[in-house]
Amino acid sequence: GEDVEQSLFLSVREGDSSVINCTYTDSSSTYLYWYKQEPGAGLQLLTYIFSNMDMKQDQRLTVLLNKKDKHLSLRIADTQTGDSAIYFCAEKTSGTYKYIFGTGTRLKVLA
Amino acid sequence: DVKVTQSSRYLVKRTGEKVFLECVQDMDHENMFWYRQDPGLGLRLIYFSYDVKMKEKGDIPEGYSVSREKKERFSLILESASTNQTSMYLCASSFHTSYEQYFGPGTRLTVT
Repeated sequence: GEDVEQSLFLSVREGDSSVINCTYTDSSSTYLYWYKQEPGAGLQLLTYIFSNMDMKQDQRLTVLLNKKDKHLSLRIADTQTGDSAIYFCAEKTSGTYKYIFGTGTRLKVLA
Repeated sequence: DVKVTQSSRYLVKRTGEKVFLECVQDMDHENMFWYRQDPGLGLRLIYFSYDVKMKEKGDIPEGYSVSREKKERFSLILESASTNQTSMYLCASSFHTSYEQYFGPGTRLTVT
């Protein structure tokens, strides 16, 4: 079945770049997402990329998609303490209702 | 601003109790979802509804049921709560044709 995998933890120093990685198995994925979950809150959509794109940049966020390797990454430039959260990768195939989420990566930003 | 609200942020129930978790969205979304979130397991889909009175099972429907009598409201029911249903429950909604889901703040349920 479909699967989305992420590492569980990442720790970076304030001001450095963070790179959170994700791999997925479904080659028919159409949309790939990054969500952020702050403590005690629901998920907030950060950014998304269509499967026919390689890269998307949105202010401090850069998403890279390697469709051949089914690898998605989220780079956060100039990471701040407010970026400390859990980041979820998710994928969805067009025409279906189902979103497949990864386990989430807990990002800790050290001052 | 899209708003998805959940009836409680924290809930403590006893084993065997019937539990209702309510979710309301204000954007006239057709699709509504219930997930549970557990550490190391990510989000797992319990049930999905694509219209009033319509529902489909997700990956882990056992021990749960749902109700969608009105478009804006989607309820998750634990008929007889058990300790292994202690979890964070997240509701989400989306338009049929939209790629984006909007999430509520979550309900942390503890079953003792």
